[in-house]
Amino acid sequence: EAGVVQSPRYKIIEKKQPVAFWCNPISGHNTLYWYLQNLGQGPELLIRYENEEAVDDSQLPKDRFSAERLKGVDSTLKIQPAELGDSAVYLCASSLGVGEQFFGPGTRLTVL
Amino acid sequence: LAKTTQPISMDSYEGQEVNITCSHNNIATNDYITWYQQFPSQGPRFIIQGYKTKVTNEVASLFIPADRKSSTLSLPRVSLSDTAVYYCLVGDMEWDSNYQLIWGAGTKLIIKP
Repeated sequence: EAGVVQSPRYKIIEKKQPVAFWCNPISGHNTLYWYLQNLGQGPELLIRYENEEAVDDSQLPKDRFSAERLKGVDSTLKIQPAELGDSAVYLCASSLGVGEQFFGPGTRLTVL
Repeated sequence: LAKTTQPISMDSYEGQEVNITCSHNNIATNDYITWYQQFPSQGPRFIIQGYKTKVTNEVASLFIPADRKSSTLSLPRVSLSDTAVYYCLVGDMEWDSNYQLIWGAGTKLIIKP
């Protein structure tokens, strides 16, 4: 069975540019998470979806970050405009309800 | 929300048993304890989960005392490939508006030959 797929794996952009990350969760997993992870730190939840509904986006900086999960499957996380401090690894995870989370490999974003 | 405290780093040697303890003094009745492992350039991977007493699977054991204010992840006979960061999480297993998992900085485990 395929795991959580994320793309791209790496992205380098200049500040003020937009960027988007894509996630394909494990088939059948209704819960999808986007995390941000800085070097040497644990993941920080940005948003959690149950099917197509964002049930927890309290930590998402809504002035520049947006996310969507159309049809309750794939999800896209967007940053516009990107700032230097957004450089981090963006992780996507999925689960069956409240259960073991399966993570993708992440997208490493570098903002110059 | 229960907060967890773990050692920042630990060293051990191949073939030894490694125990990593996590403190969660404010754990709530509905909270479960979950441990994840993370290698560089990869997402975290689930290791084990428990509520009380002892849980064992093919890779680890989880010991939880009666007061549940701490838990210990035990890795038997570690190898170099167990070098990774280990995260202890405490979270409510019931879906409600307060459901949340707080990830700390984890414990960086280094296994030496």
